[in-house]
Amino acid sequence: NAGVMQNPRHLVRRRGQEARLRCSPMKGHSHVYWYRQLPEEGLKFMVYLQKENIIDESGMPKERFSAEFPKEGPSILRIQQVVRGDSAAYFCASSSTGSTDTQYFGPGTRLTVL
Amino acid sequence: AQKVTQAQTEISVVEKEDVTLDCVYETRDTTYYLFWYKQPPSGELVFLIRRNSFDEQNEISGRYSWNFQKSTSSFNFTITASQVVDSAVYFCALTRSSASKIIFGSGTRLSIRP
Repeated sequence: NAGVMQNPRHLVRRRGQEARLRCSPMKGHSHVYWYRQLPEEGLKFMVYLQKENIIDESGMPKERFSAEFPKEGPSILRIQQVVRGDSAAYFCASSSTGSTDTQYFGPGTRLTVL
Repeated sequence: AQKVTQAQTEISVVEKEDVTLDCVYETRDTTYYLFWYKQPPSGELVFLIRRNSFDEQNEISGRYSWNFQKSTSSFNFTITASQVVDSAVYFCALTRSSASKIIFGSGTRLSIRP
């Protein structure tokens, strides 16, 4: 299956812990996007990355959230000192050329903060 | 500013009925792209269609059809002879040609009753 892979699919953290979400783009795709879906809401853009570069982070909360897409390996969305309000589904999408190309989404990671 | 409005929060119909999901968008761009995604109960996002702003031809794919009208800034989605498997949340979305992020509507929850 050459689709976008995300792991873990479900993640439970206690308040104050760190959460690390991983995304492997589709084969041949070098553009990765992260979106967050709060319960009963639509998806909201967080950040757009290419290999080793953050292109657009206009949707990222100013504190505790960071993202990277290293030269080798998956993209990582990191949430430090999680709070209950971080509980959401986090989706990763990838595209081959960015900008106008269709973004294909992974299955999402459901984060629950206790 | 860009915005996507899906005024129908929830729709419930009996199997085999036709159903139309409304989508109205706002953008100042002359070039843009419109999308529909499906989110079944399992939670993943499934890409359905992408349409650019210069192509106003209606599209039909099996039981699915899309009606794009620039004059009313609408991109409506019709399911003909609905089936229980069509039950899902459907998102309409918009992206600029020169930007990366997808702007999602709040979604319409469609329930098909047997």
